[in-house]
Amino acid sequence: DGGITQSPKYLFRKEGQNVTLSCEQNLNHDAMYWYRQDPGQGLRLIYYSQIVNDFQKGDIAEGYSVSREKKESFPLTVTSAQKNPTAFYLCASSKRGMDYGYTFGSGTRLTVV
Amino acid sequence: AQSVTQPDIHITVSEGASLELRCNYSYGATPYLFWYVQSPGQGLQLLLKYFSGDTLVQGIKGFEAEFKRSQSSFNLRKPSVHWSDAAEYFCAVARGNNDMRFGAGTRLTVKP
Repeated sequence: DGGITQSPKYLFRKEGQNVTLSCEQNLNHDAMYWYRQDPGQGLRLIYYSQIVNDFQKGDIAEGYSVSREKKESFPLTVTSAQKNPTAFYLCASSKRGMDYGYTFGSGTRLTVV
Repeated sequence: AQSVTQPDIHITVSEGASLELRCNYSYGATPYLFWYVQSPGQGLQLLLKYFSGDTLVQGIKGFEAEFKRSQSSFNLRKPSVHWSDAAEYFCAVARGNNDMRFGAGTRLTVKP
């Protein structure tokens, strides 16, 4: 079955380290997204990509970086510049067009130790 | 500017009772509206969506939602809640391609 796979499910990072979260989809969706979820704040958009080799900043891109070298993959790097990285990170994908909803992965919980 | 407001942070209902979760949006053009559900530690699952046509839309798991343009609302309803419906529910509006805005969520607790 098609879907989105995020790995790892849990990730621990020491302060000052960069860490990369994986997101892979086999839905043949053009667009992919990264959201950060904190309690009581809903989902905030970090980055999104509509096509390969192109991506755009969302509302809270500072301290994060992404790449889109393949249609299926959209990894997110949380850099040491991100001051408060502990959160739940969700990857999503969609077909082009506003009438399609998003398909979400099961998330990665990142904790800074 | 806030695009989506979910006024209720937490709602508790008894199993078998009816449910209504509120959602208000602010967007000038015709909105594309969605409801998602999230179980603890999981991603979001699409329940239903509205972008045109009949203002009462049916979704999965027995949920429905009604779009009311005059009230800028898109409330989610279920006639009889099951214990497995306990989760967090998010309303969202698509303001353009790749611009989906989510509400802060409503956590639903179901009492036996």
